[in-house]
Amino acid sequence: AQSVTQLDSQVPVFEEAPVELRCNYSSSVSVYLFWYVQYPNQGLQLLLKYLSGSTLVKGINGFEAEFNKSQTSFHLRKPSVHISDTAEYFCAVSSVNTGFQKLVFGTGTRLLVSP
Amino acid sequence: NAGVTQTPKFQVLKTGQSMTLQCAQDMNHEYMSWYRQDPGMGLRLIHYSVGAGITDQGEVPNGYNVSRSTTEDFPLRLLSAAPSQTSVYFCASSRLAGAGNEQFFGPGTRLTVL
Repeated sequence: AQSVTQLDSQVPVFEEAPVELRCNYSSSVSVYLFWYVQYPNQGLQLLLKYLSGSTLVKGINGFEAEFNKSQTSFHLRKPSVHISDTAEYFCAVSSVNTGFQKLVFGTGTRLLVSP
Repeated sequence: NAGVTQTPKFQVLKTGQSMTLQCAQDMNHEYMSWYRQDPGMGLRLIHYSVGAGITDQGEVPNGYNVSRSTTEDFPLRLLSAAPSQTSVYFCASSRLAGAGNEQFFGPGTRLTVL
C-alpha cells in the first residue's frame, strides 16, 4: 500500500522569501505524484503532477517540485512567496496497484505567509 | 461549465438521522469519488465510481452508501449519522482514460453531527 508523509504541519514564512514544503512517500511500485492546494473554505486545486520523464516539474503560480526516486521524495518549492499563497498544501500519490485515479493524500502542510 | 457542485454547503444532523449529500459534475467525467477531510488526517477516500452503475469502497466506507445512476450525479448517503462522521466532505471527478488525470474537486459540504 502507498502512504504519504508530510512532516511539517505548518510552515510560517515572510513574503518574498523562498519556501520548501516536504513530501515523502512509500510504495513498492511506480507512482504518480501530485501537489494540490486548498485555499480557505474552498475545494482542492491541482498545482502540479509528476507522471514520468523530467524529474523537475513546474506548476501553476510559480511552484515547482522535484521527484527524487532514491529518497522517495517530492518536495514543493517556490523561490518567492506572496501573501496570496497562504493555503493548505496536500501531497498525494497514486499507482497502478490502487488504480491510477485513486489518490492517497498526506496530512497537509499549512503555509502561512506574513508581510 | 459549473464543474463539480455540491449541496448543501453546511448541514447539522442529530445522531441517528439520515441524509444525502449531493454531487454533480458537468464535464462528462467517468470517475467520481467522495473524500472526507478531518484535521490532521488529510483526505480519505470513502467511495468511488468508474461509471454509471459501478461503485466500489475506498479506505473508510463504513456508515456511507453510494449509487451512480447517471454519469453526472454521485450522491453520498449517511444511513444513521454518528458524531464520528462530523467532517468536511469533498466530491471529485476526473476522466478515466489515461493515467494521472487531474481530479476536480467540489467546494465541500461541512457536516456536523450532534
